[in-house]
Amino acid sequence: EAQVTQNPRYLITVTGKKLTVTCSQNMNHEYMSWYRQDPGLGLRQIYYSMNVEVTDKGDVPEGYKVSRKEKRNFPLILESPSPNQTSLYFCASSLGLSPYEQYFGPGTRLTVT
Amino acid sequence: ILNVEQSPQSLHVQEGDSTNFTCSFPSSNFYALHWYRWETAKSPEALFVMTLNGDEKKKGRISATLNTKEGYSYLYIKGSQPEDSATYLCAFIGSAGNQFYFGTGTSLTVIP
Repeated sequence: EAQVTQNPRYLITVTGKKLTVTCSQNMNHEYMSWYRQDPGLGLRQIYYSMNVEVTDKGDVPEGYKVSRKEKRNFPLILESPSPNQTSLYFCASSLGLSPYEQYFGPGTRLTVT
Repeated sequence: ILNVEQSPQSLHVQEGDSTNFTCSFPSSNFYALHWYRWETAKSPEALFVMTLNGDEKKKGRISATLNTKEGYSYLYIKGSQPEDSATYLCAFIGSAGNQFYFGTGTSLTVIP
């Protein structure tokens, strides 16, 4: 089944404790992206990747890192999480930028206390 | 940061009504516009990808139009059903880069 998977789905952590949210797709997609969803703000792009070893900042990259060592995986790393990173995170992938539709993962609900 | 606006913010309609919403985006440097449907407790799902001025797309009772010169897209739902209840998102991609800029969505509730 073609899908984008994210893990964990839910995470409660404390300020400063490094964490990684994994994202994997099995569709051989080139474009992958991370978004955060906050009430009233809509989906905001954190980082995106056009292909292996090619990543770039979105609108809200501060406090996040990503890597794209393999085509299928695009992990999101929070080196020192802070409470303002409490949010719902989505990973998405597509064959390319356009006219290709994005496929979204199930989301990761992160709470930083 | 580009401004993508959706209106109305929320909408309640009776089952069987037809409805439409608007997505406004910068009219310069257009590359593509996406529409997504997002049901509660699920992930956004793509409805349409639109790239050309004058594009019209249709999927069942849902259709969309695109005007890149004036910077807007309309999403239409004909004969709304309760299962159409969801938030509808649009996302703009400009020709200057490879980023998606999402609007805050229109929340549709269809009352049986």
